[in-house]
Amino acid sequence: GAGVSQSPSNKVTEKGKDVELRCDPISGHTALYWYRQSLGQGLEFLIYFQGNSAPDKSGLPSDRFSAERTGGSVSTLTIQRTQQEDSAVYLCASSHPPSGINNEQFFGPGTRLTVL
Amino acid sequence: AQSVTQLDSQVPVFEEAPVELRCNYSSSVSVYLFWYVQYPNQGLQLLLKYLSGSTLVKGINGFEAEFNKSQTSFHLRKPSVHISDTAEYFCAVKPFGNEKLTFGTGTRLTIIP
Repeated sequence: GAGVSQSPSNKVTEKGKDVELRCDPISGHTALYWYRQSLGQGLEFLIYFQGNSAPDKSGLPSDRFSAERTGGSVSTLTIQRTQQEDSAVYLCASSHPPSGINNEQFFGPGTRLTVL
Repeated sequence: AQSVTQLDSQVPVFEEAPVELRCNYSSSVSVYLFWYVQYPNQGLQLLLKYLSGSTLVKGINGFEAEFNKSQTSFHLRKPSVHISDTAEYFCAVKPFGNEKLTFGTGTRLTIIP
């Protein structure tokens, strides 16, 4: 079946502009996650959505970052007033409910963001 | 809080030779452990995971890992590598009852023909 999809695959923007990154999780997955992969930094957790519960935003690096998940499916990560240090690959993942025995997060191909 | 250390940022290995990619972690609570692989220009793919039970875990593509609680390690091994194993490998942990994965900085495995 279809995996996690993300769009765009690449985004180049100018410093100070806002960007929106989209994630389509695997159908039926109620949990959705955003991570950031920066050069030399590895992957860092940003935010986690589970069903209708309040999201865990503890990994968002600043108030310029926000995310929403509409209808329990598609998610959008928004970065306002982008800075050069925001340049990274943004990865989305989804999973079965956390209580499921599989306990695996399935990752999308990522969006490479370059801020000039 | 959790942390994951992958000491080797790059590992070159000759084709058909064995390889071990090291992973150590630190956590004040019990964790699940994972190895993910990222092939060039692709997303992350789960190689294997340790949830409970036998400490030797077998994954896809001939990889295996052993959980050592006393040494807080979860090293990844393969007895004979192939060109197709060229990729970046990430070790990760997830605390019980928490959905956040904490990743290491990755090890780039390069296979030399």
